[in-house]
Amino acid sequence: QQQVKQSPQSLIVQKGGIPIINCAYENTAFDYFPWYQQFPGKGPALLIAIRPDVSEKKEGRFTISFNKSAKQFSLHIMDSQPGDSATYFCAASMPSNTGKLIFGQGTTLQVKP
Amino acid sequence: KAGVTQTPRYLIKTRGQQVTLSCSPISGHRSVSWYQQTPGQGLQFLFEYFSETQRNKGNFPGRFSGRQFSNSRSEMNVSTLELGDSALYLCASSLAGGPSGNTIYFGEGSWLTVV
Repeated sequence: QQQVKQSPQSLIVQKGGIPIINCAYENTAFDYFPWYQQFPGKGPALLIAIRPDVSEKKEGRFTISFNKSAKQFSLHIMDSQPGDSATYFCAASMPSNTGKLIFGQGTTLQVKP
Repeated sequence: KAGVTQTPRYLIKTRGQQVTLSCSPISGHRSVSWYQQTPGQGLQFLFEYFSETQRNKGNFPGRFSGRQFSNSRSEMNVSTLELGDSALYLCASSLAGGPSGNTIYFGEGSWLTVV
């Protein structure tokens, strides 16, 4: 019940395409769902986050869609660029567990020029 | 505003040795958590400290320990190192309160290689 399942494991798109990364969870106590971007040799950087009372959130070219009934959420990257090539992680946390994130396994995205 | 700072960035240790990693959180952040990242297991939560007290602990053996100082800086220690402890160790900090209390920021990590 503590797991967050992320797919696909890897993704290749052309520049300008819209990669979509999906995550699913079981524990309805999760109340915060961030996405992190990690470049090789660097720590994860917070990209965007959402709470279950919101169905969609946009920040620049990044959009999270949240389906509470299906217990799924996804990241869309609009007009993807080669500089977006990185590993993306979804995560979840509970209100009682500040500081503890349960991470998905990650998706390695390659955006071809 | 400076980010989360971790030292050292890279280190090589021998099996059986111990290692101490340091972390300075973002100024004003009182919660510090530690994660282990490996290719096989991904990102796994080790423990979290707030006001010098461990509040959460992940599923790691007792060889992994940590502490937090009064200035919120934190250290983690791994004793009797095993080859499988080779990983990127990430420190993260958050305000641990208020509407943004869940926003967690990561440092660049300490790369540990056990030989």
